[in-house]
Amino acid sequence: AQKITQTQPGMFVQEKEAVTLDCTYDTSDQSYGLFWYKQPSSGEMIFLIYQGSYDEQNATEGRYSLNFQKARKSANLVISASQLGDSAMYFCAMREGPDQAGTALIFGKGTTLSVSS
Amino acid sequence: DVKVTQSSRYLVKRTGEKVFLECVQDMDHENMFWYRQDPGLGLRLIYFSYDVKMKEKGDIPEGYSVSREKKERFSLILESASTNQTSMYLCASSGTSSQKNEQFFGPGTRLTVL
Repeated sequence: AQKITQTQPGMFVQEKEAVTLDCTYDTSDQSYGLFWYKQPSSGEMIFLIYQGSYDEQNATEGRYSLNFQKARKSANLVISASQLGDSAMYFCAMREGPDQAGTALIFGKGTTLSVSS
Repeated sequence: DVKVTQSSRYLVKRTGEKVFLECVQDMDHENMFWYRQDPGLGLRLIYFSYDVKMKEKGDIPEGYSVSREKKERFSLILESASTNQTSMYLCASSGTSSQKNEQFFGPGTRLTVL
């Protein structure tokens, strides 16, 4: 079974609109971390936002917020007021267990976001 | 500014060649990772290292080996390149000092094996 599921291969949004990118995860660990990364066409992976499993508040970073619903095991990324520069591939990722030396991330397959003017 | 660098952005090799992909980070991070990225498959972990001379297999280690002789450098080696190793290779590093310890990525190496 997939540990990270992103069900939307592609999303389209107009400038200044909000968009939600879906992510569900599967883990039996009580302590884990959830990440979102952005990958523009240039290829570099850019860290956007982090949510720890014990964090009670949803994480926010500027126009990015993470809608964390622990019981549903979902960690959706919300981008408010989309900009043309938001067009990119977005990856959801999970680190299982408390952070320990060398714990790798498990990535979803990604969602391509296209923002039009 | 934190930085992870990879030796090449683009590389073309022939089947059977030995290929070295180098990754260097300047953040004094303990952990380093090699992933490959293929369309529709996301990123898959090949190997990672949590300390000098230490290495752990990831999900797809077959056909690859790694070397970490110095803390800042993590090398991925394709002992005998094959066409199914044509892919984008991404190196990342992370520290251990915070709760999130996000991974910082290099720009990637797009490898083509002919």
